Amino acid sequence: QVQLQESGPGLVKPSETLSLTCTVSGGSITSYYWNWIRQPPGKGLEWIGYIYYSGRTTYNPSLQSRVTMSVDTSKNQFSLKLNSVTAADTAVYYCARGEFYASGSSNFDFWGQGTLVTVSA
Amino acid sequence: DIQITQSPSSLSASVGDRVTITCQASQDISDYLNWYQQKPGKAPKLLIYDASNLETGVPSRFIGSGSGTDFAFTISSLQPEDLATYYCQSYDNIPRFGQGTRLEIK
Repeated sequence: QVQLQESGPGLVKPSETLSLTCTVSGGSITSYYWNWIRQPPGKGLEWIGYIYYSGRTTYNPSLQSRVTMSVDTSKNQFSLKLNSVTAADTAVYYCARGEFYASGSSNFDFWGQGTLVTVSA
Repeated sequence: DIQITQSPSSLSASVGDRVTITCQASQDISDYLNWYQQKPGKAPKLLIYDASNLETGVPSRFIGSGSGTDFAFTISSLQPEDLATYYCQSYDNIPRFGQGTRLEIK
């Protein structure tokens, strides 16, 4: 059974960089698409982007200028950096395994438990 | 960009009731629509993929239907453990989620 676990600081100051890591266990990271999805308190889900094990990335255009994702296949981990954060970036951040097909089908079948990141001075 | 409209935003029903949630896409998305369940304080869980396919291990009371622009998610007989928020999700150039439906048990 694949498991994902987010880790990183729970508090980030405004204008600084949010950094999170997701560790994948029970399966190899060298397939599938590895995603970050966030959820502001009391609100809905927003897809941030994905990274493939090769390092290829796709980001949500609304966040693209501030997002960087990376992957470390030797550690079965992938990471998120979001710079110039504001209070609007306060959210639970989830990592998730995704499948994306050329046909247009996609889904997220395994998720981490999520980690709350608060942006505050 | 595709817009996904999910309704209702909340609903309350009794144990044993049949419950239906809908999602409407602004353009034809074939059957590329998924449904997730998010229990309070937990991560979302994939229940149905590609409109009507039940994810492994998901109870058969959860049913998905539809294609094109109109989709439905039905719980055939509501159980107490179904208290959750439900989201639909599709994809055009990026994955997009519906606004969510909060399901309460009377």
